[in-house]
Amino acid sequence: AQKVTQAQTEISVVEKEDVTLDCVYETRDTTYYLFWYKQPPSGELVFLIRRNSFDEQNEISGRYSWNFQKSTSSFNFTITASQVVDSAVYFCALSGGGRYNQGGKLIFGQGTELSVKP
Amino acid sequence: GAVVSQHPSRVICKSGTSVKIECRSLDFQATTMFWYRQFPKQSLMLMATSNEGSKATYEQGVEKDKFLINHASLTLSTLTVTSAHPEDSSFYICSARRAGGLETQYFGPGTRLLVL
Repeated sequence: AQKVTQAQTEISVVEKEDVTLDCVYETRDTTYYLFWYKQPPSGELVFLIRRNSFDEQNEISGRYSWNFQKSTSSFNFTITASQVVDSAVYFCALSGGGRYNQGGKLIFGQGTELSVKP
Repeated sequence: GAVVSQHPSRVICKSGTSVKIECRSLDFQATTMFWYRQFPKQSLMLMATSNEGSKATYEQGVEKDKFLINHASLTLSTLTVTSAHPEDSSFYICSARRAGGLETQYFGPGTRLLVL
């Protein structure tokens, strides 16, 4: 079965601290996609990144970076020098086009609520 | 960009009435749209997958006669909550996937439904 686990329910940091949000996934598909979405208090999910299973290169986008490691089935997300505007719920998600996930459905983790205090 | 809109953003209705929520992809064609429900402090729960021109595929436990989905064009899907009850109060979010795209879903801003 496909599953995404975000073990951290809530994280609280002070502005300018670095913070890492953990994501561990399970799938039997050989081709799959991993995502991170941000959900601010307004409710809208904002797409942050997509990574396919064949590309283990880490990615950096400004203060955001992602560490994809197939050996540990993890896709962790780090925010450097956090800001108050980073406060939101962050979801990690998995999608596969293979036999175990027809139609490319997104399997979401439970989300991590990040609170950045001034 | 990939912009998805939802209307209305918020609706309050009386028990027993029906409510229609629209989901539109504004700058791309979407052969597939998804409808989710999210309760407070919880993750998103997929309700159904909506494919243009065909019947929606509902997840287990979701009543297809209660949550009517229509995907009449490549840019519009609608969700109608029929005979709404207080337990249907929730945050409903749609997403759209580009025609020919197998991966990224782009989400609408959501609709908060409160049934009195």
